[in-house]
Amino acid sequence: DIQMTQSPSSLSASVGDRVTITCRASQSISTYLNWYQQKAGEAPKLLIYAASSLQSGVPLRFSGSGSGTDFTLTISSLQPEDFATYYCQQSYSTPYTFGQGTKLETK
Amino acid sequence: QVQVVQSGAEVKKPGASVRVSCKASGYTFTNYALHWVRQAPGQRLEWMGWIDAGNGNTRYSHKFQGRVTITRDTSASTAYMELSSLRSEDTALYYCARDSYTRDYHYYMDVWGKGTTVTVSS
Repeated sequence: DIQMTQSPSSLSASVGDRVTITCRASQSISTYLNWYQQKAGEAPKLLIYAASSLQSGVPLRFSGSGSGTDFTLTISSLQPEDFATYYCQQSYSTPYTFGQGTKLETK
Repeated sequence: QVQVVQSGAEVKKPGASVRVSCKASGYTFTNYALHWVRQAPGQRLEWMGWIDAGNGNTRYSHKFQGRVTITRDTSASTAYMELSSLRSEDTALYYCARDSYTRDYHYYMDVWGKGTTVTVSS
């Protein structure tokens, strides 16, 4: 199975900050990488697919990059509604696997 | 609007089976696959398997092989996930999610249900 590791596991930031979350795959997955946002008590929400494509309706402050084994999710200017947990997920091969999550908290 | 609606919470005893349903609406059911993903308390999301709603083909995570069965009823636009031989570690929130893909077959889960809580307790 492909292991997905995110860093950091938690992050304290303030509104207006630029935030970057990293995801590393245990083997090359090309650009078969998706990012999800999950707020407490809610289902995950797709933000980015195929490493860098923005899902319809997702604000432009979210962006994704990377290929191979290293990927990043960037929030250019943090908004109050962005405090949540973020997961990366590989769709290169089954079983699809997720990172452990990055919890973004207010500083 | 496009949505998937899941069945309600379940409480089961160890050794029993549970079946969770996922009813799709707002799109052509047979044109998409559906995934099942679970999340135990405080844990990461865990993919269990998927079903091609058009032809019924399935693929399961080897972790659940032999215990999970995913089926669909096209007349009802509904997919089902059955997990057998339940144990306490199966206590989790179970999600269904629609599969979509790009022209070059990058797959992703774009529509999620609200989740179904399954509690396994004696």
